[in-house]
Amino acid sequence: QKEVEQDPGPLSVPEGAIVSLNCTYSNSAFQYFMWYRQYSRKGPELLMYTYSSGNKEDGRFTAQVDKSSKYISLFIRDSQPSDSATYLCAVNQAGTALIFGKGTTLSVSS
Amino acid sequence: GAVVSQHPSRVICKSGTSVKIECRSLDFQATTMFWYRQFPKKSLMLMATSNEGSKATYEQGVEKDKFLINHASLTLSTLTVTSAHPEDSSFYICSASTPMTSGYYEQYFGPGTRLTVT
Repeated sequence: QKEVEQDPGPLSVPEGAIVSLNCTYSNSAFQYFMWYRQYSRKGPELLMYTYSSGNKEDGRFTAQVDKSSKYISLFIRDSQPSDSATYLCAVNQAGTALIFGKGTTLSVSS
Repeated sequence: GAVVSQHPSRVICKSGTSVKIECRSLDFQATTMFWYRQFPKKSLMLMATSNEGSKATYEQGVEKDKFLINHASLTLSTLTVTSAHPEDSSFYICSASTPMTSGYYEQYFGPGTRLTVT
């Protein structure tokens, strides 16, 4: 079993839709849970990180972590064409390298 | 947020030559730098972890004699692909890590270097 599983998509939604992106992980020792956004041929950009279980909201983005089920989610409200990108979940323990999911490619059409 | 630069952004080289890629943290000191490799439509795969002044720690399957990593200062790490072959063609991305007051080590990614070996 891979350490982080993420459905690569692609996922296509109309503008204004709510987008749900998900990952599962296998190691209960992971403490930090991140979501990165990557545009084509660019480096990843951190959207949000969460420590332990719970929700975190930042504008149109909400990250959720459920450590009991080893499940992490990113919700995007009122999606925009500019949200079209690849979204990568990542996990780690403090100070260690990130372990990434495969990334989900999202396309938001106007 | 903090800025990490990579140079060059794109390089084309002939098979058998060596290529050096630089990763710089521009406005902070990075205790640790990481080097990743990304194939088209694939996730980032960690190649090595580098701490300033120490030898890099390579992931299983990564040839340390082929991918030379030097971390000479808290703001600069270099990756040299020696005797490059077409299968080394990939997108190489570095990240620089610094501890936050919360205990979280934020990693800032560079823009990546596209290497094409002909």
